[in-house]
Parts: sequence; structure tokens; C-alpha cells
Amino acid sequence: AQSVAQPEDQVNVAEGNPLTVKCTYSVSGNPYLFWYVQYPNRGLQFLLKYITGDNLVKGSYGFEAEFNKSQTSFHLKKPSALVSDSALYFCAVRGLDSNYQLIWGAGTKLIIKP
Amino acid sequence: DTAVSQTPKYLVTQMGNDKSIKCEQNLGHDTMYWYKQDSKKFLKIMFSYNNKELIINETVPNRFSPKSPDKAHLNLHINSLELGDSAVYFCASSQEGLADTQYFGPGTRLTVL
Repeated sequence: AQSVAQPEDQVNVAEGNPLTVKCTYSVSGNPYLFWYVQYPNRGLQFLLKYITGDNLVKGSYGFEAEFNKSQTSFHLKKPSALVSDSALYFCAVRGLDSNYQLIWGAGTKLIIKP
Repeated sequence: DTAVSQTPKYLVTQMGNDKSIKCEQNLGHDTMYWYKQDSKKFLKIMFSYNNKELIINETVPNRFSPKSPDKAHLNLHINSLELGDSAVYFCASSQEGLADTQYFGPGTRLTVL
């Protein structure tokens, strides 16, 4: 069965420090992986995606994510966190058997403290 | 230039009523979706729809029905509203490919009293 796991409900990081939000997945075939961000009382905004090629994907707002096939992970990273990065982050995956639908993680709340 | 729009933004109604939420996308996408986000922020796909196929999440009660007057619109109609229907409903759209990105509307917060 296809699935996405975001093992941390919440991640706390001090402003200026690097941040990592974890995501692992299980799909049939090659995965198509996505990260979205949701600010309070807003819709989901696309950050970045991995389709194929370079394992390091760069996205919006200085975020990047590293695809690791052997560990079936797609962790979201940023070298230096900003208070404005505080939000809810969702990882999602689409595989061959998904009927074109995204399989979503439960979300990770990221809190950046000044 | 809103890509995916929804109306209304807020909807407060009584149990037993019937209501609709409208969604429009101006991205030229082939596929549209409805999601439900509960109070714990879990996202649940309810429907995906293109001009060829409606895919229904089997856990969605048949009180919920999507209606698509054309490719740019996918409305959500809910009959006999229940307290448990209170949630935020998001519309999204994308092209059909596996690698294509879904773009989301701002959401409709439904409160059933």
C-alpha cells in the first residue's frame, strides 16, 4: 500500500539555524514527491517537487529537499530558518498505482523561535 | 489573477440543510479535486474529476456530490449536513500527468451548528 510518513508532529528551530522536516514514503515504481506549505487560515502552497534527475531539488522561499531512494526519504531543508517559515508542512507522493491522486502525510508544524 | 478560487470563504449553517461550495480554476487544467481538512489538519481526498472520469473516495458519504458544469468548475454539493461535516474544504486543480503539481484554492470553512 502506498503511504507517506511525517514522523514529527512538530519541529522547533531557532531563527537562523538550519531546519529539517522529515518525510518517508512507500509507493510502487518511481515516486513523484511534493512538499507543500500551509500558513494559518490559508490554502496549501506548492514548494517543490522531485520527478527525476538531481536528488537535490530547490524550491520556493529558499527551501530544498533531498531525495534518497535507498532510504525512501524526501526531507525538506533550509540552511537558515526565518520566523516567517513557521507554518504547517505537508509531504505528498504519487506513484504508479495512485490513480493520479496524491497520498498525503499528516503534516508537520514548524515553529521558528526568534 | 487568482488561479483557483472558491466561494464562499466561510459557511455557517444548520444541521439538515443542503449547501454548495463553488470552485473555479483559470489554469486550463484537466483535473479538479475536492479535499476535506479536519480539525487535526489531516487532508483527505474526497473526489478527483476530469472530463473522462470521476474518482470517488469510497469513504465519502453519498450526501456529498461533485458537479462540474464545465472543465473550469467543480462545485461540491452537500445534502443533509451533519455536525461532523464541519471542516475546511479545499478545491485543487492540476494537469493529468503523474508529475503535475496540484494548485489549491484558499479553502471554505464550513461550520454546521
